Amino acid sequence: DAGITQSPRYKITETGRQVTLMCHQTWSHSYMFWYRQDLGHGLRLIYYSAAADITDKGEVPDGYVVSRSKTENFPLTLESATRSQTSVYFCASSLTLAGANVLTFGAGSRLTVL
Amino acid sequence: GQQVMQIPQYQHVQEGEDFTTYCNSSTTLSNIQWYKQRPGGHPVFLIQLVKSGEVKKQKRLTFQFGEAKKNSSLHITATQTTDVGTYFCASGSRLTFGEGTQLTVNP
Repeated sequence: DAGITQSPRYKITETGRQVTLMCHQTWSHSYMFWYRQDLGHGLRLIYYSAAADITDKGEVPDGYVVSRSKTENFPLTLESATRSQTSVYFCASSLTLAGANVLTFGAGSRLTVL
Repeated sequence: GQQVMQIPQYQHVQEGEDFTTYCNSSTTLSNIQWYKQRPGGHPVFLIQLVKSGEVKKQKRLTFQFGEAKKNSSLHITATQTTDVGTYFCASGSRLTFGEGTQLTVNP
């Protein structure tokens, strides 16, 4: 999975601060995704992107902003972090198998909001 | 999106015992995917099923897709400590994940 990298891996911030989590993939996959993982909730989709300059909301988009100016990058920004956004964030890109997206995940970014 | 419910949430087994996790939906699924996440790691794709009644095997793992394409199962025969982790099913074009089954294996 060296082809998809997330940074930072760990981040501690304070309520109200802006935080950007970076995601970079080297495969030129069209689709990219951001999920958050919390105990008891599995993986929940925040935003996804089908191609450069095309993004769409997932299940839990409130409080997050994304952009996709280049195919290889898909940053996730928390404009004003809240404690409820403490979570592990996973970026993923996908190739298509039998018409469906198959995800390759990054190592994750663990965010703590104090 | 295609909602999927996964049971059980937790499963503890002795090494050598079998393990099964189930994924259920109230609607017909276009496909079902299974992922494994080791403790502290990230989810890793295991397999995709697309056909009604499909059965696929990977060594000790057997994956099934129901005839009505509303449920799926992952069965592990004779668990090993290396099987420890959380197993997720996922479905749909935007890949909605189940909540996962956390498997622990006592040696």
